[in-house]
Amino acid sequence: DQQVKQNSPSLSVQEGRISILNCDYTNSMFDYFLWYKKYPAEGPTFLISISSIKDKNEDGRFTVFLNKSAKHLSLHIVPSQPGDSAVYFCAASAEGTASKLTFGTGTRLQVTL
Amino acid sequence: GAVVSQHPSRVICKSGTSVKIECRSLDFQATTMFWYRQFPKKSLMLMATSNEGSKATYEQGVEKDKFLINHASLTLSTLTVTSAHPEDSSFYICSALGQQNTEAFFGQGTRLTVV
Repeated sequence: DQQVKQNSPSLSVQEGRISILNCDYTNSMFDYFLWYKKYPAEGPTFLISISSIKDKNEDGRFTVFLNKSAKHLSLHIVPSQPGDSAVYFCAASAEGTASKLTFGTGTRLQVTL
Repeated sequence: GAVVSQHPSRVICKSGTSVKIECRSLDFQATTMFWYRQFPKKSLMLMATSNEGSKATYEQGVEKDKFLINHASLTLSTLTVTSAHPEDSSFYICSALGQQNTEAFFGQGTRLTVV
């Protein structure tokens, strides 16, 4: 039972353009969401998070949007850079914190020149 | 962000032996750490929550006698895979909850291969 879903396994975007990565969840108890970036054979690196009391959080080139009614969140990266090429995971918690995360299946982003 | 170090990064062991994986928070104290496992082309799955000074809490379906967790100090949690079998081969990753609980910092992961 995949409670956090990333339906696009891969995404290719040109450098300088916007990358939009999507994530859907089914568990209405989730109240804290995070995005991680991961390179092969490495642990995930934290990017940005959002609490369910907000619908948007921005940090530099990264913005996360949360639509609670649709149980959907998205990560926007603008402008995209070649160094952004990696696998992106969204994660959710029902603890209101970064505890006990449930991860999505990941989206591989490739930023081309 | 805070640094979490996991060791070893890669280990090969024989069936029936035990393997210990260490997870250290280098520049902060972590009362709570987590152990995840990633199967090939799958997402990270939470195995257990490691609490300093108390017993770990295991997720459903995870054998606590097979995956022993010890969190003896505020900077170190260990995962011991006991009597390893080839099906235990996987990528194991730990994380530590940041002091404000709003971030979880991950180690580099350990690739375990049981032959």
